[in-house]
Amino acid sequence: DTAVSQTPKYLVTQMGNDKSIKCEQNLGHDTMYWYKQDSKKFLKIMFSYNNKELIINETVPNRFSPKSPDKAHLNLHINSLELGDSAVYFCASSPYGASDYGYTFGSGTRLTVV
Amino acid sequence: GQQVMQIPQYQHVQEGEDFTTYCNSSTTLSNIQWYKQRPGGHPVFLIQLVKSGEVKKQKRLTFQFGEAKKNSSLHITATQTTDVGTYFCAGGADGLTFGKGTHLIIQP
Repeated sequence: DTAVSQTPKYLVTQMGNDKSIKCEQNLGHDTMYWYKQDSKKFLKIMFSYNNKELIINETVPNRFSPKSPDKAHLNLHINSLELGDSAVYFCASSPYGASDYGYTFGSGTRLTVV
Repeated sequence: GQQVMQIPQYQHVQEGEDFTTYCNSSTTLSNIQWYKQRPGGHPVFLIQLVKSGEVKKQKRLTFQFGEAKKNSSLHITATQTTDVGTYFCAGGADGLTFGKGTHLIIQP
């Protein structure tokens, strides 16, 4: 009964490849996010979707394209992978607006580009 | 854009000592949240503070929100090995901006 599940957990791929990471939440939350955590543990927001609509698109290369088929799913597709894309990518969800329950994070996808 | 700064970056303590991490924002925050990330894990929500000057406690953890709502702190009393991890503060409306975290290292 994982609340926010991401697949795959690990992803090793070569430069130039295209890959996708999937995320699903069963909490009934309206808003979902993608965060990138680098090797120094800095967490940076990439995208935010509310009920399938894009709210936030931080300065992320357009090689990254999020897709939300419904409010329970937010996938991340990455084209032409580069070495600098290596990081842990976290999906998260929350009720819309400030909440006493905070964000619920998935367990992360460790992407390694070689 | 909004910046959330956190210090110290690393803190080494002996087990049983106290620990404090501080968070400062460049702008007034409507609320601030705190998260803990264990090594190899994912961030886990601890608490949200909303009111100016608010103080909340969770067992050995004490959270404070500044009067101007631009700073916050997390204090752990008598640290235990289970407290090891990275503590993040975060603020923002439509998408949380996280501080860079404080890595708590505990020596038994």
